[in-house]
Amino acid sequence: AQTVTQSQPEMSVQEAETVTLSCTYDTSESDYYLFWYKQPPSRQMILVIRQEAYKQQNATENRFSVNFQKAAKSFSLKISDSQLGDAAMYFCAYRSASNYQLIWGAGTKLIIKP
Amino acid sequence: SAVISQKPSRDICQRGTSLTIQCQVDSQVTMMFWYRQQPGQSLTLIATANQGSEATYESGFVIDKFPISRPNLTFSTLTVSNMSPEDSSIYLCSVAGLHPLAYEQYFGPGTRLTVT
Repeated sequence: AQTVTQSQPEMSVQEAETVTLSCTYDTSESDYYLFWYKQPPSRQMILVIRQEAYKQQNATENRFSVNFQKAAKSFSLKISDSQLGDAAMYFCAYRSASNYQLIWGAGTKLIIKP
Repeated sequence: SAVISQKPSRDICQRGTSLTIQCQVDSQVTMMFWYRQQPGQSLTLIATANQGSEATYESGFVIDKFPISRPNLTFSTLTVSNMSPEDSSIYLCSVAGLHPLAYEQYFGPGTRLTVT
């Protein structure tokens, strides 16, 4: 069975600095998708970035980028120029190509220091 | 993406009663899901809402406790029956399959339920 591990329960970063959130996963499949979701205190779950496993190029969305290491089964999220609005819980999630269900990590609480 | 709404956004209910949560999407979607999220925890999938047939429940969740309807491709309801304080949680609906090549899930704003 697939599993997703986020080993950092909480991270803090100074405003305008860069922070990296870690995520590792375990799977025997070769075709899958990975996601980072953000959940601010408003509880709305927001899709931040996605990565297809067959793509070697790391996904980028404005200040958010990932470091996808398929062999190492690692999928970290880098947030550049951190802003106060980035404060939230961040969840890493895995989806098999053959199944819509998401496998979730435990989440990392990101604190932004002004 | 899609615009997803949930009603109610929050409610406080007495134990032994039932609450029905509605999820509405602004476009037809293939898949709809219901999740529960305990405070400070990750998401737990309750069931997949299937259009025109019975929902598919995950281990630990049963139809008698969490009946689900999905009458069409844009709407679903989740009922939390015979509530107890342990049912206090955030309930989220999500959708997938906005078009054949889409693989992401998008979420509604959630319903915060408190059972007293």
